[in-house]
Amino acid sequence: EDQVTQSPEALRLQEGESSSLNCSYTVSGLRGLFWYRQDPGKGPEFLFTLYSAGEEKEKERLKATLTKKESFLHITAPKPEDSATYLCAVQGTGTYKYIFGTGTRLKVLA
Amino acid sequence: SAVISQKPSRDICQRGTSLTIQCQVDSQVTMMFWYRQQPGQSLTLIATANQGSEATYESGFVIDKFPISRPNLTFSTLTVSNMSPEDSSIYLCSVEGQGYNEQFFGPGTRLTVL
Repeated sequence: EDQVTQSPEALRLQEGESSSLNCSYTVSGLRGLFWYRQDPGKGPEFLFTLYSAGEEKEKERLKATLTKKESFLHITAPKPEDSATYLCAVQGTGTYKYIFGTGTRLKVLA
Repeated sequence: SAVISQKPSRDICQRGTSLTIQCQVDSQVTMMFWYRQQPGQSLTLIATANQGSEATYESGFVIDKFPISRPNLTFSTLTVSNMSPEDSSIYLCSVEGQGYNEQFFGPGTRLTVL
């Protein structure tokens, strides 16, 4: 059964304190792994798609990496405006369906 | 990316009533998806709505409880029928983007059932 586990559930960082969020997955053939940001009261905002092990994507202070079993979202020198819930999802081959993790709630303190 | 709007943004409803949620996209899309996000839980796919065909429901979701319409390539509705407090959740629609596999989400409808 396809499954996604995110850790930690919650993370508090000081402004400028870099860290990483983890997304472990089990899927029968990976079509894509997706990272989203979700602010309170809003829908998820698309960040990255990763397709194969070794792939990396960057956007501002965020960098996503992928291995055959997990993905990391690295946050470099975060700012308070990076506070949000970060969601990971996978899509298996031959399906349009996403399987989401429960997310990591990130709080960056000024 | 597509611009997606949902109506209503939030509602408080009484047990036993029904609510219809609308999803409008600013471009024509083949596949539209409806998700539920319960407090503290991940997004769960309810059904996939393709224009011109019956919606495809995921395990645990049935058409009598969550009827869906897809009259054209830019619009869909999800009805939550005979509501109970367990239906209190955020309901999200999403669409596949022009790129490969990405889904883009609407702002969500926050439903509270008393």
